[in-house]
Amino acid sequence: NAGVTQTPKFQVLKTGQSMTLQCAQDMNHEYMSWYRQDPGMGLRLIHYSVGAGITDQGEVPNGYNVSRSTTEDFPLRLLSAAPSQTSVYFCASSYLAGARTNEQFFGPGTRLTVL
Amino acid sequence: GNSVTQMEGPVTLSEEAFLTINCTYTATGYPSLFWYVQYPGEGLQLLLKATKADDKGSNKGFEATYRKETTSFHLEKGSVQVSDSAVYFCALGTRGGGSNYKLTFGKGTLLTVNP
Repeated sequence: NAGVTQTPKFQVLKTGQSMTLQCAQDMNHEYMSWYRQDPGMGLRLIHYSVGAGITDQGEVPNGYNVSRSTTEDFPLRLLSAAPSQTSVYFCASSYLAGARTNEQFFGPGTRLTVL
Repeated sequence: GNSVTQMEGPVTLSEEAFLTINCTYTATGYPSLFWYVQYPGEGLQLLLKATKADDKGSNKGFEATYRKETTSFHLEKGSVQVSDSAVYFCALGTRGGGSNYKLTFGKGTLLTVNP
């Protein structure tokens, strides 16, 4: 199993550009989520999904869109990048049944810089 | 709302020293508690967890006990190694209405172990 994979590993954007961060998992997990990690802030939840076709907002959703057309994939879209979106982005997945107690599996992260 | 407060560090220890990283939480409902570890350049991985009061999670010599009366989940290790150098995150897992499941993270504690 590859686990949770993310592409790209690094990305530099100019203000106003758009891009998609890719996330895929091969563990048949229903629950997938996106976090951003900023210095001194820990990880904050951006969006999450409990299955194909179902997404919802987390703590810091503004400026980001998501969709879930398959169980495996959960891309994160930045519509118009801003310097405040400079961060490290992590995708995570887990089983939904017993979700409160489940381990979440994290991808290796995407380091995004917006100039 | 839910929140996690953990010792921010950085913490610097010599090899074989005793480690404690404090973590306290505020939560509605009955959370699960986790410690995740992030090694340099990698994503987060689960270190240990506890899902109910008085449970003790343990892994790789690390331990933490779910203390509901003090709302704490302190991480301890009797003898640290250089390979334990990493960032440690305390987190709580809660499930709200429907399928709203969320991990709330502390800000992380950087541990450096010197030979």
